Amino acid sequence: SQQGEEDPQALSIQEGENATMNCSYKTSINNLQWYRQNSGRGLVHLILIRSNEREKHSGRLRVTLDTSKKSSSLLITASRAADTASYFCANSQGGSEKLVFGKGTKLTVNP
Amino acid sequence: NAGVTQTPKFQVLKTGQSMTLQCAQDMNHEYMSWYRQDPGMGLRLIHYSVGAGITDQGEVPNGYNVSRSTTEDFPLRLLSAAPSQTSVYFCASSYDYNRFTDTQYFGPGTRLTVL
Repeated sequence: SQQGEEDPQALSIQEGENATMNCSYKTSINNLQWYRQNSGRGLVHLILIRSNEREKHSGRLRVTLDTSKKSSSLLITASRAADTASYFCANSQGGSEKLVFGKGTKLTVNP
Repeated sequence: NAGVTQTPKFQVLKTGQSMTLQCAQDMNHEYMSWYRQDPGMGLRLIHYSVGAGITDQGEVPNGYNVSRSTTEDFPLRLLSAAPSQTSVYFCASSYDYNRFTDTQYFGPGTRLTVL
């Protein structure tokens, strides 16, 4: 399978804490994206990081990419109950027209 | 813009029945795709299209057909439904596949149960 792998599969934290999710992939990539899915809904794009970038920020989100380790991390700072959702990484491989999704991390933020 | 729309939201079929899941987007996106989501499996690509008249297979294409006669519409056909096709189906689109799978915009999903 070309799927990426998120780690951990599930994460439960208290409101105000930081949440870190990791994603590993297998082949060289053009870019890596993170998506959020609220229960019963479609996926929503959060952030895209290209293979020549090492870090990217968007509001309370911070994404890092280490192409030598074939891994990425998503950090959500000062989490809120509304951040409760599943988070997926997706990667685009060299020359491919396809976007390959991982299995996701289920984040629960307790009030 | 309505974005990506999918119909129906829910569907129950009997084994052997056929049906079409509808997907439409009003953003003039070239790239459209269908995924299925099963518990513990994440999203798996079924079929995709890089433009009107062009379709290709993804990771799990068996049992499904697609066509792309217009830029806006990308229906997914189940030829003879099987219980293994019970899943949540998502349609997605993006502006330009040449940007190496740009930001994907997802529809709300169709929850399909095959008895």
